[in-house]
Amino acid sequence: ILNVEQSPQSLHVQEGDSTNFTCSFPSSNFYALHWYRWETAKSPEALFVMTLNGDEKKKGRISATLNTKEGYSYLYIKGSQPEDSATYLCAYLPNAGGTSYGKLTFGQGTILTVHP
Amino acid sequence: NAGVTQTPKFQVLKTGQSMTLQCAQDMNHEYMSWYRQDPGMGLRLIHYSVGAGITDQGEVPNGYNVSRSTTEDFPLRLLSAAPSQTSVYFCASRSLAGEYNEQFFGPGTRLTVL
Repeated sequence: ILNVEQSPQSLHVQEGDSTNFTCSFPSSNFYALHWYRWETAKSPEALFVMTLNGDEKKKGRISATLNTKEGYSYLYIKGSQPEDSATYLCAYLPNAGGTSYGKLTFGQGTILTVHP
Repeated sequence: NAGVTQTPKFQVLKTGQSMTLQCAQDMNHEYMSWYRQDPGMGLRLIHYSVGAGITDQGEVPNGYNVSRSTTEDFPLRLLSAAPSQTSVYFCASRSLAGEYNEQFFGPGTRLTVL
């Protein structure tokens, strides 16, 4: 079983604070790293798919970086808003013979609560 | 596009009963998968498929069967329900073409086994 770990498990911040979480994954046999946002009573929705070492992606106030050599990714939220409250999941996709046919393994998530 | 659809949304079973959770997608995705979500356990992969006629086991396959006769449909069968299978089940799909292929999730099925 592949080890995908996220920290912290939960986080409480005030509106306007910037925050970040970590996802660690196996550094060998890497194909892609996914980030998802999961609001209560909804389904997970993709934020980013990252494949290249040093990759940085941005969507509004949310950004992510990727280090495949050491096996970690950071997700940053700048100026958190109450609507950012959700569980943030990362998922590791191993290289399956040079294809994306591998199993996507999820971390347990970081639960973010932004207080007004 | 309806995306990924799942039925039913809610189901209550008695121990020993069998049932099928339905999943369909209209995006022509090759890859489909089933997860269960339990408190503190995140999303755990039950079974997955990389195309019609091809299925494989995930992390927690025991007690579940799948088949993939068409690209669109990927039903999950509970053979003899047990209380340990009380969970929320998510079906998901993604394209296998290219690298940046996000996974799309269905709305989930909440199953209670008494």
